[in-house]
Amino acid sequence: KQEVTQIPAALSVPEGENLVLNCSFTDSAIYNLQWFRQDPGKGLTSLLLIQSSQREQTSGRLNASLDKSSGRSTLYIAASQPGDSATYLCAVRPGETSGSRLTFGEGTQLTVNP
Amino acid sequence: EPEVTQTPSHQVTQMGQEVILRCVPISNHLYFYWYRQILGQKVEFLVSFYNNEISEKSEIFDDQFSVERPDGSNFTLKIRSTKLEDSAMYFCASSLERVGIGTEAFFGQGTRLTVV
Repeated sequence: KQEVTQIPAALSVPEGENLVLNCSFTDSAIYNLQWFRQDPGKGLTSLLLIQSSQREQTSGRLNASLDKSSGRSTLYIAASQPGDSATYLCAVRPGETSGSRLTFGEGTQLTVNP
Repeated sequence: EPEVTQTPSHQVTQMGQEVILRCVPISNHLYFYWYRQILGQKVEFLVSFYNNEISEKSEIFDDQFSVERPDGSNFTLKIRSTKLEDSAMYFCASSLERVGIGTEAFFGQGTRLTVV
């Protein structure tokens, strides 16, 4: 059974700092990995999708990497801003079956202080 | 930009009552999903739906739950005889699922269900 773990559980940084959020998964046979942002009491906003054949994806100040063999992904946020404060979730999709479930981590709660 | 929409945003119901949560997936997507998140816990998969039938369901999705696509745009989750432990945020999601085009899942804003 796939297990997804995110470290740290919470992170507080001053504005402008570069930071790394970590995600690990137990079964390396994944189809893709997706990073989401969740604001308090709100829905999930997709940030980046990395297919299993890819090593990284970039969107603006965000860069996500994937090392499938070691079961790890990192989300790098450059020049953090107070508006980046949210919970960041990673989720993996197993195998190559269309429409298969996402398995989520617990999330990292990020606070960026002005 | 196309988005998944859910109604209502908040539903309060009495224990034992039936509730229907509604979703409008992105129009050209082929797979539809329901997930839930109990306060302070992980987002959990409930069910996926494709071509008018359930394609996968979790152990949580028992006979108390059912899903339906009553028309060409809506996707619903029905919970019969609600229990206190059904209180959670319920998320609807959809994905295109065509190889080479993308398999990103897009989520709605959620319906907060409170069972009293």
